[in-house]
Amino acid sequence: GGIITQTPKFLIGQEGQKLTLKCQQNFNHDTMYWYRQDSGKGLRLIYYSITENDLQKGDLSEGYDASREKKSSFSLTVTSAQKNEMAVFLCASSRQVNSDYTFGSGTRLLVI
Amino acid sequence: AQKVTQTQTSISVMEKTTVTMDCVYETQDSSYFLFWYKQTASGEIVFLIRQDSYKKENATVGHYSLNFQKPKSSIGLIITATQIEDSAVYFCAMRNNYAQGLTFGLGTRVSVFP
Repeated sequence: GGIITQTPKFLIGQEGQKLTLKCQQNFNHDTMYWYRQDSGKGLRLIYYSITENDLQKGDLSEGYDASREKKSSFSLTVTSAQKNEMAVFLCASSRQVNSDYTFGSGTRLLVI
Repeated sequence: AQKVTQTQTSISVMEKTTVTMDCVYETQDSSYFLFWYKQTASGEIVFLIRQDSYKKENATVGHYSLNFQKPKSSIGLIITATQIEDSAVYFCAMRNNYAQGLTFGLGTRVSVFP
């Protein structure tokens, strides 16, 4: 078995701050994803990466940067946190693009 | 563009009964992949079951099964012999060969009562 770990679990930031979320997986999965989950809005794709050093934008990429320097890790940066923003950021990985996902437990973001 | 619609916001059922959740999808592609995920109260999201569009037989895993009606672009999830721990939000998702990652529906909250 393996595990996918997101850090931190909770993140409180200030308006305009740059915030970085990290994700690590030991499944040796090729593809990794970042999703944002807002209340009542389901999951929306921010970025994904099909291999080390690859980055692909999702529908919600504006305001975010991502980095995949190693196969096992995928980080997401909120470039300028928006006041009163509250969401859960979910990292996932899959063996191949068409495989099912394994999700991390999420990072809960609150911007004050 | 892909779109996934789950019209049922919430469903309440008694324990040990069967619950059925609807999901309809839109895609221009002839080949695509359909998934159901479960999100528990703790926020954990787990994969349940999938249906590949080229397969005619409905997928079944444990007490989860799918009702795949390709002409109607519909992929319903059926949970038989429900248990209290089946209480969760269930997400339908899809991907075609050209899309970026999975497209998710808004979810259906299932509450199972004793």
